[in-house]
Amino acid sequence: ETGVTQTPRHLVMGMTNKKSLKCEQHLGHNAMYWYKQSAKKPLELMFVYSLEERVENNSVPSRFSPECPNSSHLFLHLHTLQPEDSALYLCASRGQGSYGYTFGSGTRLTVV
Amino acid sequence: QKEVEQNSGPLSVPEGAIASLNCTYSDRGSQSFFWYRQYSGKSPELIMSIYSNGDKEDGRFTAQLNKASQYVSLLIRDSQPSDSATYLCAVGRNTGGFKTIFGAGTRLFVKA
Repeated sequence: ETGVTQTPRHLVMGMTNKKSLKCEQHLGHNAMYWYKQSAKKPLELMFVYSLEERVENNSVPSRFSPECPNSSHLFLHLHTLQPEDSALYLCASRGQGSYGYTFGSGTRLTVV
Repeated sequence: QKEVEQNSGPLSVPEGAIASLNCTYSDRGSQSFFWYRQYSGKSPELIMSIYSNGDKEDGRFTAQLNKASQYVSLLIRDSQPSDSATYLCAVGRNTGGFKTIFGAGTRLFVKA
């Protein structure tokens, strides 16, 4: 596989469930990002992982928990979500010396 | 004030015309500027990046940057129905790690 792969593509979960989103990049990039995309709103940066540092958006609720075990894999652990968390969650990666992102196909999350 | 502002549209142009998409940004320290195209139900795809004042051309696309006016634009010449999508303007900066801030996007509709 090439590019940035996200699984699952679709996820429906109850408010008491725990689930994880997975992102894997095969591009040799050294920075990975989680973005949230809600209807008619700008992409919202949630978390950044790079060789230099991990950066968090302090406005992201603690019910979202990132994990980056290595430079190729990124997870977003979800627990006790709210219906307003329903959105498209996008993973992106960036190579060293490059500033544009390569996005995965996204996970469409619905919280019921 | 939004960090990256775009007219939400829709912008409707006839096939073969020039489509002009505009964007303003608030952070004068921004260093990198991008245009992403997002088809309905798909993830964003990088189509243009520009880093210095002036024009940058790539095929039918021309990106224009004016840092003094904090203004970025994208021109699409000879517009095709396949160009119908949402175009996201994005601005990058390197403060505590490289991060990109996105606008909410402009919907473009090219009429055959």
